[in-house]
Amino acid sequence: QSVLTQPPSVSGAPGQRVTISCTGSSSNIGARYDVHWYQQLPGTAPKLLIYGNTNRPSGVPDRFSGSKSGTSASLAITGLQAEDEADYYCQSYDSSLSGVVFGGGTKLTVL
Amino acid sequence: QLQLQESGPGLVKPSETLSLTCIVSGDSISSTSYYWGWIRQPPGKGLEWVGSIYYSGSTYYNPSLKSRVTISLDTSKNQFSLKLSSVTAADTAVYYCARGETNTNPSNFDYWGQGTLVTVSS
Repeated sequence: QSVLTQPPSVSGAPGQRVTISCTGSSSNIGARYDVHWYQQLPGTAPKLLIYGNTNRPSGVPDRFSGSKSGTSASLAITGLQAEDEADYYCQSYDSSLSGVVFGGGTKLTVL
Repeated sequence: QLQLQESGPGLVKPSETLSLTCIVSGDSISSTSYYWGWIRQPPGKGLEWVGSIYYSGSTYYNPSLKSRVTISLDTSKNQFSLKLSSVTAADTAVYYCARGETNTNPSNFDYWGQGTLVTVSS
């Protein structure tokens, strides 16, 4: 079990907005460590989607946005498209474990 | 354009040592701006950080694997390596190498290799 908790799955229709939560604690997200988000399409390597809580790498559409508050972070996807169907992972650092941690992952289904 | 490519045996016997190399092209692993890391993913499961190394040679390992992991740099070949000893079936996974940026805390992994499946079986 990861110290960063994500919902196993979320779904939405094309064009809709979905959010994926990443819930941590005072030893990780709440300790002001940055949260990053990755998108993993089937059969491919993860791709950096959001870094430093809210920043998008060059080439990532502005439909993707990140936020962080307290001990949680969220990834929002607006204008949902079929190509967004993938697994999404959050990543941070945990001071109690003294290491980088990933959330368990969330499978996004576009209905 | 930065590229990372994992190489190594796809099959390792239980109790033996898993050895993988990540060949980096398009950037120097001696850069002070980056870490170089290994992340693994068991079939059908999530991502697990294995460890990272800085250009200076400083290493950081997942505490749950620390006693079995060694990550090293070879600056002459612009590559870095992973060794995981005493493997069991639980170490079967796709192993990714990745570049970690130092502009955030912790590093974010902005470039990834395609991954290589390592199966532990006799």
